[in-house]
Amino acid sequence: IVMTQSPATLSVSPGERATLSCRASQGVNSNLAWYQQKPGQAPRVLIYDASTRATGIPARFSGSGSGTEFTLTISSLQSEDFAVYYCQQYNNWPLTFGGGTKVEIK
Amino acid sequence: VQLLESGGGLVQPGGSLRLSCAASGFTFSRYHVSWVRQAPGKGLEWVSAISGGGTTTYYADSVKGRFTISRDNSRNTLYLQMNSLRAEDTAIYFCAKRFRETGGCFDSWGQGTLVTVSS
Repeated sequence: IVMTQSPATLSVSPGERATLSCRASQGVNSNLAWYQQKPGQAPRVLIYDASTRATGIPARFSGSGSGTEFTLTISSLQSEDFAVYYCQQYNNWPLTFGGGTKVEIK
Repeated sequence: VQLLESGGGLVQPGGSLRLSCAASGFTFSRYHVSWVRQAPGKGLEWVSAISGGGTTTYYADSVKGRFTISRDNSRNTLYLQMNSLRAEDTAIYFCAKRFRETGGCFDSWGQGTLVTVSS
């Protein structure tokens, strides 16, 4: 299953809303996660099962979608949110990640 | 939960390397675990996975036949034996634990170990 993320880069001002998209080449039900990765760090899970926030993740992060179309929304970007975001499907083997969306400061 | 990778380094093309991942803070033998890699400046690529008991393994096509995943539940340790290494295997290799015993997202990651394949 090929996971396609868009856009590749998103330029956003602090306090603004960011909307990231992820499309699967075939249906993955709700078996989708979103990860955040900062330079020099391991990825951290934000959202799993398409819409459930992981432990300790702020409420400004939300996920939606099922099947082939998914969205990660950051309602009001904070300075610590500028990073790369990956989606990943775990419905089928092999597990696959999207190519990532870099959220940068506008 | 803690995952600590080791064993990375510089190896020549065609060479071999064995990575280890020491796990603690959870019942290691009950969980599927995986290796995920990231080439310099690139995205994440899942490499291989193994079931809790070690009886079932999965591989990405890019490493099938060259890499072998295994685990020692008595030592709470995951391994990745990498043979016939290529330049394109150069990456940071992370071990990661599944959220649920047999599936789900990756809820815990190690800090990674760097493998460089170069002459």
